[in-house]
Amino acid sequence: QQQVKQSPQSLIVQKGGISIINCAYENTAFDYFPWYQQFPGKGPALLIAIRPDVSEKKEGRFTISFNKSAKQFSLHIMDSQPGDSATYFCAATDILTGGGNKLTFGTGTQLKVEL
Amino acid sequence: EPEVTQTPSHQVTQMGQEVILRCVPISNHLYFYWYRQILGQKVEFLVSFYNNEISEKSEIFDDQFSVERPDGSNFTLKIRSTKLEDSAMYFCASSASLNRGPYEQYFGPGTRLTVT
Repeated sequence: QQQVKQSPQSLIVQKGGISIINCAYENTAFDYFPWYQQFPGKGPALLIAIRPDVSEKKEGRFTISFNKSAKQFSLHIMDSQPGDSATYFCAATDILTGGGNKLTFGTGTQLKVEL
Repeated sequence: EPEVTQTPSHQVTQMGQEVILRCVPISNHLYFYWYRQILGQKVEFLVSFYNNEISEKSEIFDDQFSVERPDGSNFTLKIRSTKLEDSAMYFCASSASLNRGPYEQYFGPGTRLTVT
């Protein structure tokens, strides 16, 4: 029940295209959903995050869409650039419990943006 | 911009040896975490630490692991007797500054631990 399922495992997109990565969860207590970007040899970097009280959040070229009833959320990268080539992880946590706020990560998506 | 720092960047140790991984969280953050990532796999939660005590730990965090905040700036992870399967990238993270919510976690660059 704690799992976060992420797809696809890898994704190749042409420069200027839209990259879409999907995640699904089962734990209805999850109430905070961040996306992290990781370059080889580096730590995960917080990209964008959403709470379930909104269905969409946009920051620059990055948009999270959230479907509470389906327990799914996705990351859209508009106008994808070669510099976006990285591994993307979705994650989830239940912040209202006030405990450790541990993040449960998805399995990651390797994005490659080709010229 | 403030960032989480970790030392060393790479640690090689022999099986059965003790290792201490060090982290300096972002100043004025209140929650501290350790995660690990085995090569090519997802990031896994190990432990969270708040107010000088463990607030949550995973099944991975057994008696061989311990955490400590020895002073006002450092946060350490000790593995008492390393095993081959402890080989992984270990990430420290921190959250809860005065300016942002307590749930935004910022990760350090990681320490690659290799157990031979």
